[in-house]
Amino acid sequence: AAGVIQSPRHLIKEKRETATLKCYPIPRHDTVYWYQQGPGQDPQFLISFYEKMQSDKGSIPDRFSAQQFSDYHSELNMSSLELGDSALYFCASSLGESQYFGPGTRLTVL
Amino acid sequence: GQQVMQIPQYQHVQEGEDFTTYCNSSTTLSNIQWYKQRPGGHPVFLIQLVKSGEVKKQKRLTFQFGEAKKNSSLHITATQTTDVGTYFCADSNFGNEKLTFGTGTRLTIIP
Repeated sequence: AAGVIQSPRHLIKEKRETATLKCYPIPRHDTVYWYQQGPGQDPQFLISFYEKMQSDKGSIPDRFSAQQFSDYHSELNMSSLELGDSALYFCASSLGESQYFGPGTRLTVL
Repeated sequence: GQQVMQIPQYQHVQEGEDFTTYCNSSTTLSNIQWYKQRPGGHPVFLIQLVKSGEVKKQKRLTFQFGEAKKNSSLHITATQTTDVGTYFCADSNFGNEKLTFGTGTRLTIIP
């Protein structure tokens, strides 16, 4: 069965650079979520989209933005990167109760 | 804001022993979901509990939802090495919405 695809899987950036993370949800799933997981922490909700419209927003810095495109893939754009942005970024998609998580993008900011 | 705590934070058990993690919320939970995250992996959905007092079983795993819908537990009978990972409870905010994860319990198995 198709799963959530995320790219890239690993990303290394310098401080103040920008990064773009991509997510391809499971076909026909109508909701996409982005989560940030720091080392040894639980995933923290950033933002979600339902049918390509932003549906909810969590503790997402103003430096971050996201959108969902007509083909349902989503991108998380991160600017002016800080050391504290180093984390695992998960995308998840859903068509109801449960959320299906992608393998994540590990972002390292040097 | 809502806080979802889990205890213990870490649990080391001998293979074959039982394991339980407890999830407690500062507010009434709408639904509770449980996820497992293997080391280096991503959260994987295990189950959702909706009703007060609900109990569900999946082979060696037993999930309970408290009567007041403010707590939940996951019990694993006769642990195996494949059970290694971090178990998270999560409030799904009435379903199909953002997850508020608990702090997680990291289970390690001593062979």
